Amino acid sequence: TQLLEQSPQFLSIQEGENLTVYCNSSSVFSSLQWYRQEPGEGPVLLVTVVTGGEVKKLKRLTFQFGDARKDSSLHITAAQPGDTGLYLCAGGSTSGTYKYIFGTGTRLKVLA
Amino acid sequence: NAGVTQTPKFQVLKTGQSMTLQCAQDMNHNSMYWYRQDPGMGLRLIYYSASEGTTDKGEVPNGYNVSRLNKREFSLRLESAAPSQTSVYFCASSPSGPLSNQPQHFGDGTRLSIL
Repeated sequence: TQLLEQSPQFLSIQEGENLTVYCNSSSVFSSLQWYRQEPGEGPVLLVTVVTGGEVKKLKRLTFQFGDARKDSSLHITAAQPGDTGLYLCAGGSTSGTYKYIFGTGTRLKVLA
Repeated sequence: NAGVTQTPKFQVLKTGQSMTLQCAQDMNHNSMYWYRQDPGMGLRLIYYSASEGTTDKGEVPNGYNVSRLNKREFSLRLESAAPSQTSVYFCASSPSGPLSNQPQHFGDGTRLSIL
């Protein structure tokens, strides 16, 4: 069974601070996706990383896929209140099934 | 820009009642998914449909059934609701499965309470 663990589970920081969220597994994934979810809405895709070691930047957000495609990180620089939300990672199964495995989520609150 | 539409948005049931959650997508996607989201558990896959005419079990299928009615619609049925099924249910679709690295598009969820 493929599992994805996210840390930290909760994070409350001041505006302007930097933070990193981790997504770890003992399994290899075909790709790793990061989503952000606002209250009362479904998750919305931020980025997909596919290649081991890949780094993608989305404004102040930097995403990295581990070399072995088992882990990923999301780094936010100079966090803003608009970054508040639930961040979810999701790994694509390599078993040939059409499954995505979701992490447990990191709830971020950025205080003004 | 409808994307993925779920109905109803909210529902309260009594233990033992049945109901069907509806999901429709207008993006011509092949794959569709049903998840449940509980506090501290992230999203757990209930059932998925890789393409029209096929369905497969996910992590937590017990107590649920699904129907891929056509390419657009994928419904989730609770035959005899139990309090443990109180959750937020999300439907998602993608052009194809994870091996193609395609993103999933989610609906806004159905908040289901079972008393």
